[in-house]
Amino acid sequence: EVRLVQSGAEVKKPGESLKISCKGSGYTFSNYWIGWVRQRPGKGLEWMGIIYPGDSDTRYSPSFEGQVTISADKSMSTAFLQWRSLKASDTAIYFCARPNTLYGDFTDWGQGTLVTVSS
Amino acid sequence: QTVVTQEPSLTVSPGGTVTLTCASSTGAVSSGYYPNWFQQKPGQAPRALIYSTIHKHPWTPARFSGSLLGGKAVLTLSGVQPEDEADYYCLLYYGGFNVFGGGTRLTVL
Repeated sequence: EVRLVQSGAEVKKPGESLKISCKGSGYTFSNYWIGWVRQRPGKGLEWMGIIYPGDSDTRYSPSFEGQVTISADKSMSTAFLQWRSLKASDTAIYFCARPNTLYGDFTDWGQGTLVTVSS
Repeated sequence: QTVVTQEPSLTVSPGGTVTLTCASSTGAVSSGYYPNWFQQKPGQAPRALIYSTIHKHPWTPARFSGSLLGGKAVLTLSGVQPEDEADYYCLLYYGGFNVFGGGTRLTVL
């Protein structure tokens, strides 16, 4: 059974850094893309970017390029989403999801990580 | 900036049929955009329904179907059930990145 387990909720102040994680199990982690999706409170889904852990090939949405960093550690079967300097507008639930291809067929989802940025 | 547009909300009666559409600001949606459809209920992660325009996942109920019509990707629900009340999102592929539509809130009333 494929499982994606995300790290727990975070409360941060504006300007702080943060790295959240998504651990995959039940499949060969290196062989599948993992993507990140943002959902602000009461709003829709936003595709942020995706990484192929096998070779660290990473693609970003133009809307998120330069705002976040996506990485992966094959040895830990874990993908990461990182901010250098959080803003209040980063408050959201962040989902990781595994597609079968690069074309967006996200069949497996993590439970989501709530990030709250507030002074 | 690429924008994917869906109806903000739709209402359907139980047992009825409803069509949700997904349009791209770049022009007509074709199979090369690999349209995906997702369902999300409150407090839950999204669930995949349709991939590559028409293909269903093993768990997708038969009443859901995907197609292209009039330059848009389309999700049709036939014989709507009360449990279909949810938010529905399309996702299009733009050659290296994907973009979600704004979502359609489907009310079954």
